Amino acid sequence: DAGVIQSPRHEVTEMGQEVTLRCKPISGHDYLFWYRQTMMRGLELLIYFNNNVPIDDSGMPEDRFSAKMPNASFSTLKIQPSEPRDSAVYFCASSSHRAESGNTIYFGEGSWLTVV
Amino acid sequence: AQSVTQPDIHITVSEGASLELRCNYSYGATPYLFWYVQSPGQGLQLLLKYFSGDTLVQGIKGFEAEFKRSQSSFNLRKPSVHWSDAAEYFCAVRGSNFGNEKLTFGTGTRLTIIP
Repeated sequence: DAGVIQSPRHEVTEMGQEVTLRCKPISGHDYLFWYRQTMMRGLELLIYFNNNVPIDDSGMPEDRFSAKMPNASFSTLKIQPSEPRDSAVYFCASSSHRAESGNTIYFGEGSWLTVV
Repeated sequence: AQSVTQPDIHITVSEGASLELRCNYSYGATPYLFWYVQSPGQGLQLLLKYFSGDTLVQGIKGFEAEFKRSQSSFNLRKPSVHWSDAAEYFCAVRGSNFGNEKLTFGTGTRLTIIP
């Protein structure tokens, strides 16, 4: 089975530009998570969805960030306008509520964003 | 709210030596506990997990971890490390209540292996 798929893997953009990160969760998973990793703050949850509905977005840093999940197989994280302090690795992850999955959260390879 | 503490920021061990990485958690109910490993420039790979049952769990790459409820700990061990084990290790706890199913990570422990 394919794992969590993220795109782009690497992006360099100029300050003020819009950035869109994409994620395809593992098929059949009903939870989707967006995490950000930085040297200063470590791994922090931005938002998570259950059955395409946002459950907890308290980690979204400010109005410049938005996330959507229009269907069970696709999610986006958008930053508009981007700033240099947004430079980080953004991970998408997914999991299933089913007992046989063991409540494990599986991570994608990450999108490495640099804003100059 | 749950939290995880990894008291060791950086550990250096010799190849072939034993390893123990410490992890303490805070959670009001029975926790779901995980260890992930991250190599430079890579994503997060699951090493092992604990939900219930046997408190000593086995993972991939020869790692194991022991859940100790009385100490709120979930330490990771390996009897003999290999140079390829050099990486960053993250302990994490997941909530079990609806609305709190997120994974909360510790700050990580960077492992360096010397010949």
